[in-house]
Amino acid sequence: EVQLVESGGGLVQPGGSLKLSCAASGFTFSGSAMHWVRQASGKGLEWVGLIRSKANSYATAYAASVKGRFTISRDDSKNTAYLQMNSLKTEDTAVYYCTRHPNEDPDYWGQGTLVTVSS
Amino acid sequence: DIQMTQSPSSLSASVGDRVTITCRASQGISNYLAWFQQKPGKAPKSLIYAASSLQSGVPSKFSGSGSGTDFTLTISSLQPEDFATYYCQQYKSNPLTFGGGTKVEIK
Repeated sequence: EVQLVESGGGLVQPGGSLKLSCAASGFTFSGSAMHWVRQASGKGLEWVGLIRSKANSYATAYAASVKGRFTISRDDSKNTAYLQMNSLKTEDTAVYYCTRHPNEDPDYWGQGTLVTVSS
Repeated sequence: DIQMTQSPSSLSASVGDRVTITCRASQGISNYLAWFQQKPGKAPKSLIYAASSLQSGVPSKFSGSGSGTDFTLTISSLQPEDFATYYCQQYKSNPLTFGGGTKVEIK
């Protein structure tokens, strides 16, 4: 059974940093691109970024709203993807989801982890 | 960036109704289009990928169609568990973008 479990969310002050993890199981993690998507309370879905597989050189891409502040990485030996968030702003407050995109098509989502940026 | 315009933003329907939601891309995306269902307080669930392919385990009352710029999600006979918000997403090019969502409510 495919499972994606996010962790690492919490309360952080503006300007602070936080690192989210997405632990994967039930599939060949190393072969799948992984994406991060966020959702502010009562709002729609916003794509954050992606990391491709080793076969695709671990290429990354980011939304303009987070580029230069957020970094996506992965550790295939631990079946885990990460989202390092720096210089956090109040508008980054959201539930963050990781999603799987095997062969480009999206399928499974994690349950999400809440990030609150507030003083 | 490719803009995704979903309509309607909300609709009221009765159990047993046939419901159609549309999604329009600002430029051609071939069939790189997915549909998701989200219930309150829950993570989105994937329904359709590649515009018309049903995800494993998703009931056949859900169907998707379209290519290029115009797409539809149809629920053939609405059931109580289908009341939710539905989103489309294009994954033809970065940044991936979502439609604004369609909230399906009980009439």
